[in-house]
Amino acid sequence: GAVVSQHPSRVICKSGTSVKIECRSLDFQATTMFWYRQFPKKSLMLMATSNEGSKATYEQGVEKDKFLINHASLTLSTLTVTSAHPEDSSFYICSARDQGARNEQYFGPGTRLTVT
Amino acid sequence: GQNIDQPTEMTATEGAIVQINCTYQTSGFNGLFWYQQHAGEAPTFLSYNVLDGLEEKGRFSSFLSRSKGYSYLLLKELQMKDSASYLCAVRDKGGKLIFGQGTELSVKP
Repeated sequence: GAVVSQHPSRVICKSGTSVKIECRSLDFQATTMFWYRQFPKKSLMLMATSNEGSKATYEQGVEKDKFLINHASLTLSTLTVTSAHPEDSSFYICSARDQGARNEQYFGPGTRLTVT
Repeated sequence: GQNIDQPTEMTATEGAIVQINCTYQTSGFNGLFWYQQHAGEAPTFLSYNVLDGLEEKGRFSSFLSRSKGYSYLLLKELQMKDSASYLCAVRDKGGKLIFGQGTELSVKP
């Protein structure tokens, strides 16, 4: 299957700082990428849909000013957690849709964020 | 509203067959996906159904009935490494993938 990378895989930051997470589709172009959040033993919660060249669409209850999403190219989307707090600690997973392959959606390896 | 239901956990024996059910009610339907997720890792794609019927891929098969809002994932010849969480997800008309809560499968020797 197609490959989606995420960087960093783990990050620890202090409260009040910002953290940027990158998501790249390595062998296909993705006009649409998705950002999910997952708490321990829970399923994936969709945060936002990232569209190349336009503003992201956020799910209800997700603060767009806190979770900044940029999708500047067909292979890269970034999620910036601004002014992080301990409750933002979570597993963040990006996903990219390969529109050339039955619309299959591939996931990155995830980023474990810990805010101290 | 969006609602996807699957059992929280299941246990099966190595070498056996297990069926994980998923029922859904979503705003439109544009395909159903099954993913496998090991603890601390991202989900990996297992199967995709958009038409009614059975899709077979090696030890794994997935079935869909759109009229019943129902799918199942069938795992044959279970191996210890199949112990994982299995996620049912529906793509709605808007193109978003909505996940169920996942089924934690434990395979015992």
